[in-house]
Amino acid sequence: DTEVTQTPKHLVMGMTNKKSLKCEQHMGHRAMYWYKQKAKKPPELMFVYSYEKLSINESVPSRFSPECPNSSLLNLHLHALQPEDSALYLCASSGNIGGSNQPQHFGDGTRLSIL
Amino acid sequence: DQQVKQNSPSLSVQEGRISILNCDYTNSMFDYFLWYKKYPAEGPTFLISISSIKDKNEDGRFTVFLNKSAKHLSLHIVPSQPGDSAVYFCAASVRKLIFGQGTTLQVKP
Repeated sequence: DTEVTQTPKHLVMGMTNKKSLKCEQHMGHRAMYWYKQKAKKPPELMFVYSYEKLSINESVPSRFSPECPNSSLLNLHLHALQPEDSALYLCASSGNIGGSNQPQHFGDGTRLSIL
Repeated sequence: DQQVKQNSPSLSVQEGRISILNCDYTNSMFDYFLWYKKYPAEGPTFLISISSIKDKNEDGRFTVFLNKSAKHLSLHIVPSQPGDSAVYFCAASVRKLIFGQGTTLQVKP
């Protein structure tokens, strides 16, 4: 069982909808991440939160809006997405950013389809 | 510019034999290297890691080797089992993870 929980597992939305992806971890990790993964491609980093503050934004379009309400929760708010945004969205957490012996642990992702 | 490369898209191995997965990188600033396994419909699962100050790390059937001069990383799985069949990603880190393209391993019974 994964220790990073993502909901929902699947999401289908229209281009005018607003929805949110949720991620939760209870490992006491202080860094949390959002990745996007297209089919047969590696995960690509979107955002990094460290100690509940946005640390890295990989030039992600503003239609994706991350939020970290507390050290255990990470949300990704979606608005006016495009069909090319259809992908698997993965959340991960680690003890802190960088450093040795700090592997990231991933959830099982949310499969997002934009109609 | 692909900083982490896995040049073999796929690998097929007989059960009980050794599986060797390879990874090359270009950025000498990477200080931490990891291997992940991914099954369909699941997120990547952390397997094993190695710091740039070491050249070998073992965990059960999994051993990772790091050759800094060649900027080369490899994962050895001995003995290989059918349940090891999955996509394997190597990743390198300097403040953030950069993933290779993945290698699909098939272990035949």
